[in-house]
Amino acid sequence: EDKVVQSPLSLVVHEGDTVTLNCSYEVTNFRSLLWYKQEKKAPTFLFMLTSSGIEKKSGRLSSILDKKELFSILNITATQTGDSAVYLCAVDSGGGADGLTFGKGTHLIIQP
Amino acid sequence: GAGVSQSPSNKVTEKGKDVELRCDPISGHTALYWYRQSLGQGLEFLIYFQGNSAPDKSGLPSDRFSAERTGGSVSTLTIQRTQQEDSAVYLCASSQRGGRHTEAFFGQGTRLTVV
Repeated sequence: EDKVVQSPLSLVVHEGDTVTLNCSYEVTNFRSLLWYKQEKKAPTFLFMLTSSGIEKKSGRLSSILDKKELFSILNITATQTGDSAVYLCAVDSGGGADGLTFGKGTHLIIQP
Repeated sequence: GAGVSQSPSNKVTEKGKDVELRCDPISGHTALYWYRQSLGQGLEFLIYFQGNSAPDKSGLPSDRFSAERTGGSVSTLTIQRTQQEDSAVYLCASSQRGGRHTEAFFGQGTRLTVV
């Protein structure tokens, strides 16, 4: 059974801090790894990673994948209160299913 | 429409009753996904539609759950004889083509509470 594990489950930091969120996975047929930000109910897409060692960057957010060690990290630098959200990691493993396997998420709280 | 629209946004139902959840995807999106998010859990894949057909129903948790899509647009997820463990947020997403998760947009979800 495909599995995605995120850590930590929750994290509280102060504005301006840098955070690193972790995602490890065990899947039978890896196609890609995706990060989403979930505020309230609707997740919004952040990054898709398919190749090891290539950093994806968008503003203060960046992410990288290690396909040998089967994990990814999401970094947020100079955090702001608007970064408070649940960050979800998901793996697209194909295998006949077009759905994603999600981790439980990291609940990030940025204190002013 | 401008975004994925789900209704109702909240639903409280008595155990044993049937419920119907609706998803109106972005116009022109052929792929539609249903997910369920229980408290403190990640999203759990339920079913995927490409057009009106559902090539993958593997995620439906029991035969009380069914879904259909008509006209390649609106989809309904039906839960019969609801149980308390069905309480969750049900999220719908759509994308232009199947497997294009980078282009998938999520609706605001329906929060289902079974009492």
